[in-house]
Amino acid sequence: DTGVSQNPRHKITKRGQNVTFRCDPISEHNRLYWYRQTLGQGPEFLTYFQNEAQLEKSRLLSDRFSAERPKGSFSTLEIQRTEQGDSAMYLCASSAPGTGRETEAFFGQGTRLTVV
Amino acid sequence: LAKTTQPISMDSYEGQEVNITCSHNNIATNDYITWYQQFPSQGPRFIIQGYKTKVTNEVASLFIPADRKSSTLSLPRVSLSDTAVYYCLVAATNNAGNMLTFGGGTRLMVKP
Repeated sequence: DTGVSQNPRHKITKRGQNVTFRCDPISEHNRLYWYRQTLGQGPEFLTYFQNEAQLEKSRLLSDRFSAERPKGSFSTLEIQRTEQGDSAMYLCASSAPGTGRETEAFFGQGTRLTVV
Repeated sequence: LAKTTQPISMDSYEGQEVNITCSHNNIATNDYITWYQQFPSQGPRFIIQGYKTKVTNEVASLFIPADRKSSTLSLPRVSLSDTAVYYCLVAATNNAGNMLTFGGGTRLMVKP
């Protein structure tokens, strides 16, 4: 399967712990997006990359959130000192610019985080 | 960033045509209009993208008037499996990058 892969699919953590999620985009896609989605709401944009450059990070929810894409391939999203309000689905997506289809992003299945 | 407004929910019956309208009054010249579909516990899935006039693919049609301040997603002859949330987005497709920003979407319920 050459789609967007996210790991883990589910994560349960205790409040105050750090968590890291991984996203492997479709191999030829150089744009990568992170979103958070809570029940009944649309996906909330967090950040995105073009290759290894993080083009927008002002939407990250707090300084506890950070994302990296060191080699322009996979990406990680880290949440430090988790809080119960961080419980949500975290979605990753990738797209391929220059094809006229930049707004066609392919989403992974998401990582569901539960903070207890 | 152009903000979009769409109905919170819609009901339909199997076999009917469904039209979901989205308003985007502040759309910029280089913005495209894109629609996504999302089923529960899955990531959104791209449906269709357009700039002006009409675009049609195997799944849906997208109607965009000349002023581009609104758009209408048309789903022909819906089935129960079309029950989902539909999101309208406007985003640029230039090499400077684009943020795909989702709103609340329209929850479509298709009834038998």
